[in-house]
Amino acid sequence: EAGVAQSPRYKIIEKRQSVAFWCNPISGHATLYWYQQILGQGPKLLIQFQNNGVVDDSQLPKDRFSAERLKGVDSTLKIQPAKLEDSAVYLCASSPPGRTPEWDGYTFGSGTRLTVV
Amino acid sequence: AQKITQTQPGMFVQEKEAVTLDCTYDTSDQSYGLFWYKQPSSGEMIFLIYQGSYDEQNATEGRYSLNFQKARKSANLVISASQLGDSAMYFCAMRERDTGNQFYFGTGTSLTVIP
Repeated sequence: EAGVAQSPRYKIIEKRQSVAFWCNPISGHATLYWYQQILGQGPKLLIQFQNNGVVDDSQLPKDRFSAERLKGVDSTLKIQPAKLEDSAVYLCASSPPGRTPEWDGYTFGSGTRLTVV
Repeated sequence: AQKITQTQPGMFVQEKEAVTLDCTYDTSDQSYGLFWYKQPSSGEMIFLIYQGSYDEQNATEGRYSLNFQKARKSANLVISASQLGDSAMYFCAMRERDTGNQFYFGTGTSLTVIP
């Protein structure tokens, strides 16, 4: 079974530029998540989609971050304009539909490492 | 308040020895799950082990076991017979039924296995 695909793996941009990340979840996983992991910290949820609808975006800095999920499958996360503090690894994850605290095959991608200079 | 606390920024263990990574959690939800993930330098989050709040037995997966003490709200990871490939960051995480499917992660513990 293919895992969660993310691209690019690495990106270096200057502050005030824009950048976009792409994620393709596991086939059949209705729920998709974007996490931000700053160096030395654990991942923090930015946004959660159920199919192509937003379930939770309470921690997404909406003045500069945006995300969409095309046709309930692939998703893109955009930052415009980027700040130095946006340097982090951006992880995408997906899980089957439903709400459970149990293990359900929730899978993370390898992440995109963003450096803003 | 932090939902997940990992107090060991770095740990060292001799190859073939066992090591315990500490994790405490905070929740008022009666139904929750506790997880451990391994993150090597390549960046992916690798699922290791899961413990449900209603599980009475400690979870085990191969060389990994989870020492679950519900009253103390702790969920320590024990790695037996450490291998060089175990060197990585380890994250404790929690999911709660009431707050949806997002994970709450700790700050991680960097484990180094010494030959």
